[in-house]
Amino acid sequence: AQTVTQSQPEMSVQEAETVTLSCTYDTSESNYYLFWYKQPPSRQMILVIRQEAYKQQNATENRFSVNFQKAAKSFSLKISDSQLGDTAMYFCAFMVLDDKIIFGKGTRLHILP
Amino acid sequence: DADVTQTPRNRITKTGKRIMLECSQTKGHDRMYWYRQDPGLGLRLIYYSFDVKDINKGEISDGYSVSRQAQAKFSLSLESAIPNQTALYFCATSDLVATGELFFGEGSRLTVL
Repeated sequence: AQTVTQSQPEMSVQEAETVTLSCTYDTSESNYYLFWYKQPPSRQMILVIRQEAYKQQNATENRFSVNFQKAAKSFSLKISDSQLGDTAMYFCAFMVLDDKIIFGKGTRLHILP
Repeated sequence: DADVTQTPRNRITKTGKRIMLECSQTKGHDRMYWYRQDPGLGLRLIYYSFDVKDINKGEISDGYSVSRQAQAKFSLSLESAIPNQTALYFCATSDLVATGELFFGEGSRLTVL
């Protein structure tokens, strides 16, 4: 069975700093998708970034980027120039093609003024 | 109007009562999901449906049932609610191509006394 592990339950950083959230996963499949979702205090779930496992290039969306290490089964999220609006729960998620999506337990991120 | 609508947004009920959470979507997606969110446990999949005639159990289906009334509607029922079913419930959809992105409703917070 596939699993997703986020080892940092909670983190705090100063505004404008860079922060990295960790995620590891376990699967025997070779083709899959990985995601980071953000849940601000409004509780709405928002897709931050997506990575296809067959792509070697790390995905980037503005200040958000990932470090995808397929062999190590690692998928970390880097937030550059962090802003107060980045305060949220962040969930790592995994999907084998044409199957259900599995989430990690989340990392609560506080951006401090 | 939201693409994925959940009702009710908040509900307080008593042990033993039957509760139905409803979800409707205007995105035209075939795939629909019900997740449960608990602090420290992330999002756990309850049931999912890849089309109107397809219903699948997730990792925590005990005590829940679902109905896919149409492509656009997917309801979650608690036949006899118990306090440990107190949680935030999310409905989500994704498209047939299964690029993986989930589109979430705003969540239904259920409290069972």
